Amino acid sequence: GENVEQHPSTLSVQEGDSAVIKCTYSDSASNYFPWYKQELGKRPQLIIDIRSNVGEKKDQRIAVTLNKTAKHFSLHITETQPEDSAVYFCAARYSTGTASKLTFGTGTRLQVTL
Amino acid sequence: DGGITQSPKYLFRKEGQNVTLSCEQNLNHDAMYWYRQDPGQGLRLIYYSQIVNDFQKGDIAEGYSVSREKKESFPLTVTSAQKNPTAFYLCASSIIHLNTEAFFGQGTRLTVV
Repeated sequence: GENVEQHPSTLSVQEGDSAVIKCTYSDSASNYFPWYKQELGKRPQLIIDIRSNVGEKKDQRIAVTLNKTAKHFSLHITETQPEDSAVYFCAARYSTGTASKLTFGTGTRLQVTL
Repeated sequence: DGGITQSPKYLFRKEGQNVTLSCEQNLNHDAMYWYRQDPGQGLRLIYYSQIVNDFQKGDIAEGYSVSREKKESFPLTVTSAQKNPTAFYLCASSIIHLNTEAFFGQGTRLTVV
């Protein structure tokens, strides 16, 4: 099955700096890679996703890059703000017939300091 | 916040009792998932279902059971066989055939005393 590794587990940056979170996946058949943000006590919410036919996607201050050959993908947050502080999860999905299993990384706790 | 609803938000049970967590969605999604969240361990998949009356074990299915009698509902039972049931449980749903996002419920925090 799929295995997703995520690093670092904690990340502290100063407001205005950039933050990068990296994930690797094991199953070359995976073709969908979402990123979720979870604030304390709340549900995870999608912030950006990328499909395997695309190498990079950007949405305002957030970008995701995908390297299919190396099987890794990264989240980049620029001009960080205190409200970016949360736990971020990467995930990978592969489909086998009708099965569609979404596997998550272990999460990165991002702290943006003033 | 509408679309996928978990209840209750907090649940306390005595050790050795079975307990059922509810998950309902009105998004017409085929796929539904149950995850367990423990500190530092991310989201681990317990069970998932693609269609009514069918479901598959995830990575940590032991001590849990599910049913999918209706498309909208995917209840999770935490049985007495689950050795460490205290955790935050998240239900999610998605469309299968398009690689689109999974939507999460607000979660149920289960505490076994």
